[in-house]
Amino acid sequence: EDKVVQSPLSLVVHEGDTVTLNCSYEVTNFRSLLWYKQEKKAPTFLFMLTSSGIEKKSGRLSSILDKKELFSILNITATQTGDSAVYLCAVILTQGGSEKLVFGKGTKLTVNP
Amino acid sequence: DAGITQSPRHKVTETGTPVTLRCHQTENHRYMYWYRQDPGHGLRLIHYSYGVKDTDKGEVSDGYSVSRSKTEDFLLTLESATSSQTSVYFCAISAISLGFAGEKLFFGSGTQLSVL
Repeated sequence: EDKVVQSPLSLVVHEGDTVTLNCSYEVTNFRSLLWYKQEKKAPTFLFMLTSSGIEKKSGRLSSILDKKELFSILNITATQTGDSAVYLCAVILTQGGSEKLVFGKGTKLTVNP
Repeated sequence: DAGITQSPRHKVTETGTPVTLRCHQTENHRYMYWYRQDPGHGLRLIHYSYGVKDTDKGEVSDGYSVSRSKTEDFLLTLESATSSQTSVYFCAISAISLGFAGEKLFFGSGTQLSVL
């Protein structure tokens, strides 16, 4: 069974802290890994990672993929209260000629002032 | 923002009644998806469509059916709602297949469904 496991499930930090969110996966026919941020409503796209070792950055957020050890991390530096959200990791895999997106359960990040 | 509208936004219904949720897009995207999101389970795919009248099952399709008679509309039907179908339902769209979609997979704002 294809699995995507995120840790921790929840995290509370203070503004200015740096956080690292983890996503490990056990899937067949891996294609890519995605990170989304979900505030109150729809998930919004953050990163798509396909190759190992290449860091993707967007402002204070960065992410990297390790295809040998089957995991990805999402780093957020100098956290702000606006970073409070659920962060979702998802893996795209191929199955039976079509593609499938499997999500982890998410990490709920709370940033306190 | 991608032009995706889900309706209704909230619905409360009784066990055994039929329910239809609608996803409407103005992007002319080929692929459309229905997910449900539950605490402790994350987002799970119910059904998806890769074109008009072309649909397929996802991982949690039991108790649900879908129809896509026009590019812009993807309907999710619960034939006889049960309490286990209480959830938040998200529609998503993409112009290209998932393997390349990445940042081009857009989600609607969700429908909160409560089955009493």
